[in-house]
Amino acid sequence: AQSVSQHNHHVILSEAASLELGCNYSYGGTVNLFWYVQYPGQHLQLLLKYFSGDPLVKGIKGFEAEFIKSKFSFNLRKPSVQWSDTAEYFCAVTYTGRRALTFGSGTRLQVQP
Amino acid sequence: SAVISQKPSRDICQRGTSLTIQCQVDSQVTMMFWYRQQPGQSLTLIATANQGSEATYESGFVIDKFPISRPNLTFSTLTVSNMSPEDSSIYLCSVGTLESYEQYFGPGTRLTVT
Repeated sequence: AQSVSQHNHHVILSEAASLELGCNYSYGGTVNLFWYVQYPGQHLQLLLKYFSGDPLVKGIKGFEAEFIKSKFSFNLRKPSVQWSDTAEYFCAVTYTGRRALTFGSGTRLQVQP
Repeated sequence: SAVISQKPSRDICQRGTSLTIQCQVDSQVTMMFWYRQQPGQSLTLIATANQGSEATYESGFVIDKFPISRPNLTFSTLTVSNMSPEDSSIYLCSVGTLESYEQYFGPGTRLTVT
């Protein structure tokens, strides 16, 4: 079965540090890639998405992600994190012919002021 | 994006009882899904709710345990039947369209079974 791996389960950073969260998927065909964020006490929000075209996509709040097809990866980055970025981040994928999302296990990001 | 509401937002239920969760969307959507997020874990798809026909269930989920209705393009219900403590989770509905692969999520229903 197709799967999504997020290798960082819990990340602690200081404000202004750079962030990179890893995401790898296991499907060799066409994929659509997403990062969702869940702030404390809030529901899941779409952070950014990749369907096709430029493999470097920009999302809300200064986040970006790069699709590297040869590495089956879609890593999330932010040059300088803020305390308000404290949240849980989920990578998700849809595959050819499948509309439902397959989620990674999530990464809990804690940003210390 | 669509505005999605779920009722109830949380509930505490006794073992052996059933709970029906409602998902309401403020616009017509093609795709509706139900997910489960168990404590400390990621989201797992339960089923795709199909308008006017039976839901499509994922491996490990069955209609007798999680009956789903979708009478129209803006509303769906998920029932958690004959509950056990292992059903304690957050249940989320999400919506999407045929034109785009992105999905938007409701606030979730936090269920605790005692």
